[in-house]
Amino acid sequence: QVQLVQSGAEVKKPGASVKVSCKASGYTFTSYVIHWVRQAPGQRLEWMGWINAGDGNTKYSQNFQGRVSITRDTSASTVYMELSSLRSEDTAVYYCARQVLFGGNYFFDFWGQGTLVTVSS
Amino acid sequence: DIQMTQSPSSLSASIGDRVTITCRASQSINSYLNWYQQKPGKAPKLLIYTASSLQSGVPSTFSGSGSGTDFTLTISSLQPEDFATYYCQQSYSTPFTFGPGTKVDIK
Repeated sequence: QVQLVQSGAEVKKPGASVKVSCKASGYTFTSYVIHWVRQAPGQRLEWMGWINAGDGNTKYSQNFQGRVSITRDTSASTVYMELSSLRSEDTAVYYCARQVLFGGNYFFDFWGQGTLVTVSS
Repeated sequence: DIQMTQSPSSLSASIGDRVTITCRASQSINSYLNWYQQKPGKAPKLLIYTASSLQSGVPSTFSGSGSGTDFTLTISSLQPEDFATYYCQQSYSTPFTFGPGTKVDIK
């Protein structure tokens, strides 16, 4: 069965970086695109970017102004999301999600369990 | 960026009620609209894709409709496990954006 398993909770100081992992299993890793979505406490979901696990191409939301980087390790079937220059507003649960493309539409059919990142001095 | 709004922001309903949630996009997104259900402390779950297609394994009490800028999610008969927050999401263009959510709780 398809699973996306994320790394554990992190506590970081302002200005630091965090790297969250998302390990995929149960499907052909390189055949899908993985997205990252975050959710601050009590807020709506916010899309951050995606990576094509096959060729490594990426696209990021301009809202993160170059602070986000998504990479993958095909030998480990794992995608990584690194967010730098952390500030308190980055405190959120970070999710990875698998993309399906069907009939020209993109949607997320499987999600990781979420990783809480807390930014606090 | 395409802005997504939802109404109502919350609602109280009883088991067996028919519930309708509305989602509106700031510009036409054709039918590139998806619906997710989220329970506290859990990841979102895909319910409906491309405005009206039911995801595999999702009960047929859920349905979606709409195109262009206006969309609806309908639960024909609310069940205990349906109490959750529901989000719409546009996939017409990046950045993919989500609505603010509609919380459905027990009356």
